[in-house]
Amino acid sequence: EDQVTQSPEALRLQEGESSSLNCSYTVSGLRGLFWYRQDPGKGPEFLFTLYSAGEEKEKERLKATLTKKESFLHITAPKPEDSATYLCAAPSFQGAQKLVFGQGTRLTINP
Amino acid sequence: NAGVTQTPKFQVLKTGQSMTLQCAQDMNHEYMSWYRQDPGMGLRLIHYSVGAGITDQGEVPNGYNVSRSTTEDFPLRLLSAAPSQTSVYFCASSSYQGYTEAFFGQGTRLTVV
Repeated sequence: EDQVTQSPEALRLQEGESSSLNCSYTVSGLRGLFWYRQDPGKGPEFLFTLYSAGEEKEKERLKATLTKKESFLHITAPKPEDSATYLCAAPSFQGAQKLVFGQGTRLTINP
Repeated sequence: NAGVTQTPKFQVLKTGQSMTLQCAQDMNHEYMSWYRQDPGMGLRLIHYSVGAGITDQGEVPNGYNVSRSTTEDFPLRLLSAAPSQTSVYFCASSSYQGYTEAFFGQGTRLTVV
């Protein structure tokens, strides 16, 4: 069964303290790995798509990387406004066509 | 530039009542889907559609119906609400499922009492 697992479940950082979020996946024939940001009371907002191992994408203080088994979301010198839940997802074609989501990492940046 | 629009944003139902959650997108996407999000369970697919007139079941379809008469609209019907359907519901659309990113609506927070 296709699965996506994220760690840690929650992460609390001080402003400016860099770190990484992990997303490991077991998906047959990976067709992309998506990262989303979700703010409380809002829907997930698309951040990045990665398609092949070694690929990297950047947006402001965020950089996503992909290997054959996992993806990392690196956060460099975060600010309080980076606080959110970060979700990763991979498309699955086992049974219903769907995105398989991880449980998310709830990131809190303290000023 | 509306994207994916869901209504209502909040709803309280009594057990046994029925209702329809509305979803509309203006991006001409073929693929639309409904997810529910529950604490500790993540996002789970309820139903999806790969185009007008075509729908199929996801992981947790029981108690829900969908139809897709137009490319733009994909309503979700709760037939007889149960407390287990208390959740946050998200509608999403994408140009091609599996290869492109999905765009989500703002969600509907449903409470069944």
